[in-house]
Amino acid sequence: AQSVTQLDSQVPVFEEAPVELRCNYSSSVSVYLFWYVQYPNQGLQLLLKYLSGSTLVKGINGFEAEFNKSQTSFHLRKPSVHISDTAEYFCAVTRSVNSGGSNYKLTFGKGTLLTVNP
Amino acid sequence: GAVVSQHPSRVICKSGTSVKIECRSLDFQATTMFWYRQFPKQSLMLMATSNEGSKATYEQGVEKDKFLINHASLTLSTLTVTSAHPEDSSFYICSASALLRGYTFGSGTRLTVV
Repeated sequence: AQSVTQLDSQVPVFEEAPVELRCNYSSSVSVYLFWYVQYPNQGLQLLLKYLSGSTLVKGINGFEAEFNKSQTSFHLRKPSVHISDTAEYFCAVTRSVNSGGSNYKLTFGKGTLLTVNP
Repeated sequence: GAVVSQHPSRVICKSGTSVKIECRSLDFQATTMFWYRQFPKQSLMLMATSNEGSKATYEQGVEKDKFLINHASLTLSTLTVTSAHPEDSSFYICSASALLRGYTFGSGTRLTVV
C-alpha cells in the first residue's frame, strides 16, 4: 500500500514570493506521483505528474516538482506566486504500471491550503 | 485534453429520497471510474472503484447498498445515493482513468440532504 504525507496543512505567502509545498510518500513498489489543485467547490485539476524519466517535472501555471527517490519526496515549487494561486493543493501517489494510466487507485495526502496575500 | 463531465453540480434533496449523480468521459473511453467523497476542508476519501461491465469494488466502511455505482459503458458511470440522510451531505467527485490518459476528475457534486 502507498501513503502520502503533506507536511504543511496551511502555507501563507505574499504575492510574488517563492513557495514550496512539501510531499513525502511511502511505498514498497515503484510509484507514479501527482500534484492536483482544487479551487472552492470544484473538482481537481492536474498540475503535473511524475511517471518516469527526468526527476524535475514542469507543470501548468509555472509550477514544477522534483522527484527524489532517496528521500521519497515530491515537493512542489513555484518561484513567484500570484493571488490566483490561492487554493488547496493535493499530492497523490499510485503504484506504477507501464502506461501512465491505471486501474489502481490514487492515494491522496491531506492537502495544503496555499493562501497568497497581497 | 481529457474531459470529464459530472452532473448535477449541486443538488438538494429531502431525507429519504434517492439522488443520482452522473459522470461522463467526453473524449475518451474510461476503463475505470473512481468515486470520492470529500468533507469540508478535508482530503478526498475513495468510496469505490468500478471497471466497465463489472461490479464496483467498495472501500472498507462504505455501504454498497446505500451508494449504488453503475458503470454500464466506457463513457458513463453513475452514483446513486439511496434513502439519503443529512449525514450523506457532502461533496462527491468522480475520476475517470484510462491507459495513457492518467486520471481526470469531474467538477464535483455538492449534495445537501434536508
